[in-house]
Amino acid sequence: QVQLQQSGAELAKPGSSVKISCKASGYTFTSYYISWIKQTTGQGLEYIGYINTGSGGTNYNEKFKGKATLTVDKSSSTAFMQLSSLTPDDSAVYYCARESSLFAYWGQGTLVTVSS
Amino acid sequence: DIVMTQSPSSLAVSAGETVTINCKSSQSLLSSGNQKNYLAWYQQKPGQSPKLLIYLASTRESGVPDRFIGSGSGTDFTLTISSVQAEDLADYYCQQHYSYPWTFGGGTKLELK
Repeated sequence: QVQLQQSGAELAKPGSSVKISCKASGYTFTSYYISWIKQTTGQGLEYIGYINTGSGGTNYNEKFKGKATLTVDKSSSTAFMQLSSLTPDDSAVYYCARESSLFAYWGQGTLVTVSS
Repeated sequence: DIVMTQSPSSLAVSAGETVTINCKSSQSLLSSGNQKNYLAWYQQKPGQSPKLLIYLASTRESGVPDRFIGSGSGTDFTLTISSVQAEDLADYYCQQHYSYPWTFGGGTKLELK
């Protein structure tokens, strides 16, 4: 069965970076893009962007350009998202999801807390 | 970007009631090519990831009970839950899958009265 397993919760200081992973299994990794979605209590669900898992090409929501960097390691069927120059506004749960304009499969979410 | 607006933001219901959640898009989600509406609904229970319920406005995902009914066209859409059960208490989100970047509604919390 399709599974997306994300890395654990992160506690980071303002100005630092974090890198979250999303390991896929149960399907051919390079057949689907991986997308990332941010969830906060105040802003709901926000689409960050996707990575083409075959070519490594990326497409970002304008709002997250410069904040998120998406990469992939095909050899381990793992997608990564690095968040840089963290501020308290980046505190959220971040999900990876298998992309097909719809999101039928999601990771379990990674809580990122930005605090000094 | 297409803005998705959901209403109400919360709804208190009793088991067995029928509820309606509304979603309005800032642009039409109807494709002129195939006459399909690119609107999806998700359910999110506490501590869980969102679950896809409906896509193309009215197509239920495999395994979704038929008490969940999606309808609407153009810019106005509705999720109806017939005879609400305790397991349906959750947050519900609409999402347009018409044009990139995909965008979500603000959510509707379904609570027990």
